[in-house]
Order: sequence, then C-alpha cells, then structure tokens
Amino acid sequence: GAGVSQTPSNKVTEKGKYVELRCDPISGHTALYWYRQSLGQGPEFLIYFQGTGAADDSGLPNDRFFAVRPEGSVSTLKIQRTERGDSAVYLCASSDYNSPLHFGNGTRLTVT
Amino acid sequence: AQSVAQPEDQVNVAEGNPLTVKCTYSVSGNPYLFWYVQYPNRGLQFLLKYITGDNLVKGSYGFEAEFNKSQTSFHLKKPSALVSDSALYFCAVRDNQGGKLIFGQGTELSVKP
Repeated sequence: GAGVSQTPSNKVTEKGKYVELRCDPISGHTALYWYRQSLGQGPEFLIYFQGTGAADDSGLPNDRFFAVRPEGSVSTLKIQRTERGDSAVYLCASSDYNSPLHFGNGTRLTVT
Repeated sequence: AQSVAQPEDQVNVAEGNPLTVKCTYSVSGNPYLFWYVQYPNRGLQFLLKYITGDNLVKGSYGFEAEFNKSQTSFHLKKPSALVSDSALYFCAVRDNQGGKLIFGQGTELSVKP
C-alpha cells in the first residue's frame, strides 16, 4: 500500500520567508510525528500528534515553528521568518498502536 | 531521560564478513529499542525492534540484534555483509512519556567488495 508521502521533496526559500511542509500519513495511522535531520546527525524530534491534537510538542525549537493536523490525517509543518539554520531535511512518520514508525522520504529545506 | 549512544561514526567491513553496529541505551524502566536504516536521499526504514521476550531479535534483510540488559546494549549484527548493506544505521529508544522515538547519531556502514 501507499507509504508516508511528503511534499515538496525539495524547497528552497529566502531567509525571512514563510514555508509550509506537508505530510500525508499511511491511511488509518492515528499517530503522526515530525522530525528534523541535519547532515551527519540523527533525526531530532519536533512534534507528535495523536489524532488531531499535539500530544508532545516539546521538540519545537521556538515559536517560529508550528504544526497542525486539523482532521487527524494530513499534517502541515509551518515555519515563519525562516533562518539559514532551519536548513535541514524534515521527516514525517506515522504509526498505529504498537506499530513501528513508518517514515516518508523527507522534505529537504534550504534557506538562502 | 531516555537516550541512546552509537559510539562508532563509521564501520568498515569486507563483503562476506560478519558485521556489528554498536548501540548502548539509557532508560528508566523497560526499554523499547529499535534499529532503522537510511539509504541516501531516503527516509528511515524499520529493521527490527525489541519490546520483550527473546534477547536475540531477528529483522529484515538478514539483520538481527542482541539485547543485553546487564551491558545496556542493543548491537545490530549480520553474519555475512553485502555491499548493498552500505547505509546509515540508527538505533532508537521509545520515550516512556509517549510514543516518540529518540535516535542516536547514526553509524555509517561501508561494505567493500
């Protein structure tokens, strides 16, 4: 079946601009996770949704970062006033109860 | 707080030889441990997990991992490496407060013919 889909696969934006990154989880998966991965590093947790609500947003680095999942399926990660340090690969994953996390291929964000 | 450590940035192995990628963990309570593999420009793929039961866990692509409670380790192993196993490998532990995974820094495995 279809896996986790992330769009766009690549995004280049100028410093100070606003960006949205989209994640389509595996159908029926109730949990959705956002991670950020910098070159040579492991994935760093950002936020986790159970259904429509954010169960844990402790990884969001500051208030420029926000994520929503209004209908409990698709999620959007929003970054305001982007900075060069936001450049990274943003990974989305979904899971069902007790299943492993299934990851998408990520969105590579480059802030120039 | 839960954490995992992968002490080797890189592991080099000749094709056909056994491989080991090391991981140690620090948790309060029972650990839920995972291994993932990442190929270039791709997301992470699940290999195997330890929740409870047998200390030797078998996973995808011929990989297995050994859970050792006394040494707080969960090393990934394969009896005979393939060139196609070359990739980044990540160990992870599930957070006790919720469902998120906490990842190690990763180990780059290079298998040469």
